[in-house]
Amino acid sequence: DAGVIQSPRHEVTEMGQEVTLRCKPISGHNSLFWYRQTMMRGLELLIYFNNNVPIDDSGMPEDRFSAKMPNASFSTLKIQPSEPRDSAVYFCASSAVGGVTDTQYFGPGTRLTVL
Amino acid sequence: TQLLEQSPQFLSIQEGENLTVYCNSSSVFSSLQWYRQEPGEGPVLLVTVVTGGEVKKLKRLTFQFGDARKDSSLHITAAQPGDTGLYLCAGVNWGYKLSFGAGTTVTVRA
Repeated sequence: DAGVIQSPRHEVTEMGQEVTLRCKPISGHNSLFWYRQTMMRGLELLIYFNNNVPIDDSGMPEDRFSAKMPNASFSTLKIQPSEPRDSAVYFCASSAVGGVTDTQYFGPGTRLTVL
Repeated sequence: TQLLEQSPQFLSIQEGENLTVYCNSSSVFSSLQWYRQEPGEGPVLLVTVVTGGEVKKLKRLTFQFGDARKDSSLHITAAQPGDTGLYLCAGVNWGYKLSFGAGTTVTVRA
């Protein structure tokens, strides 16, 4: 079975450019998460969707970041304009809500470098 | 500021030795999870502990949740090179919100 799929795996861009990261959750999962991992701050939750609706975006750093989930099988995280401090590994995770603590399955991540 | 403090930050041991990783917080969580992350991959869930004082065993790995649900430990017996990786603890609130520690990088030398 396919896990969470993220694309691209690596992205190098220049400051000021728009960056779009893509995620396909595990089929049947109704929750989707975007995380950012850096050496300085570790792994941080950016935004949480449930049934395609954003529930918690308190971790989104600023207005330059936006996320969408147009349907149950696709989500995007967009950074416009990008800055060097946005360089990080961005993970998408999905889960099937229902238990006391639902297991989140992480994708392989997108390594973003902003020059 | 990280809600969860992990120690040590780095751990390098010889195959066959034991190791313990600690995860401490001033906050109470509804549950706590441990993950292992390998280079170039996302974290993979190892275990979830829910009840204060709970102990869970997964082959050579033993996980303990503190009585006050603020701290946890991961103990590996007779470590093997395959145990090498970044170990992350995460406090869980509201069923979905994970607050991760900075991680402990474990290297097991053959």
